[in-house]
Amino acid sequence: AQSVTQPDIHITVSEGASLELRCNYSYGATPYLFWYVQSPGQGLQLLLKYFSGDTLVQGIKGFEAEFKRSQSSFNLRKPSVHWSDAAEYFCAVAGRSYQKVTFGIGTKLQVIP
Amino acid sequence: DTEVTQTPKHLVMGMTNKKSLKCEQHMGHRAMYWYKQKAKKPPELMFVYSYEKLSINESVPSRFSPECPNSSLLNLHLHALQPEDSALYLCASSPRDREGYGYTFGSGTRLTVV
Repeated sequence: AQSVTQPDIHITVSEGASLELRCNYSYGATPYLFWYVQSPGQGLQLLLKYFSGDTLVQGIKGFEAEFKRSQSSFNLRKPSVHWSDAAEYFCAVAGRSYQKVTFGIGTKLQVIP
Repeated sequence: DTEVTQTPKHLVMGMTNKKSLKCEQHMGHRAMYWYKQKAKKPPELMFVYSYEKLSINESVPSRFSPECPNSSLLNLHLHALQPEDSALYLCASSPRDREGYGYTFGSGTRLTVV
């Protein structure tokens, strides 16, 4: 069975600082990997996704993520955080033969001035 | 149109009421999903429709009844709910099932059962 671990429940960064949110997955082969963002009371928005090929994936809002097969990781990064990035971030995994997406528990990002 | 529209945004219902949640998309997506999200938790899959046919039911109680009248519309009929069913109900769509496109989510319906 597939699973996702987001080890950081809550992260606080200063505006303008760099950001890295951690995600580790468990799956027997190369999965589909996703990062979603959710603002309070809203639905989820897809930031980026990994299918295959280049392991560094660019997304919207200046985010990027790197797939590292050897570490079973798909960490999300942003070089300079803006106050509007404060939200909940979910890493998700899906097997390639079965479209059931499993979400991690989420990381809440707080941005301080 | 690149949105998934959910109505209503908020719903309060009694345990004996019958209500319906509506989800609409006009992106030509052929897979649609219902998720339930409790506070401070990740979304949990309830149902998957692929080409207007129910393909996955995650052992959801029968008091939740999904319906897909056409390729653009997805409903969730609610009857005899319990207070613990109070949650944010999210609809999502993707071009097709099983191909890892990623979802487009609606903003959700905040349901309170009293």
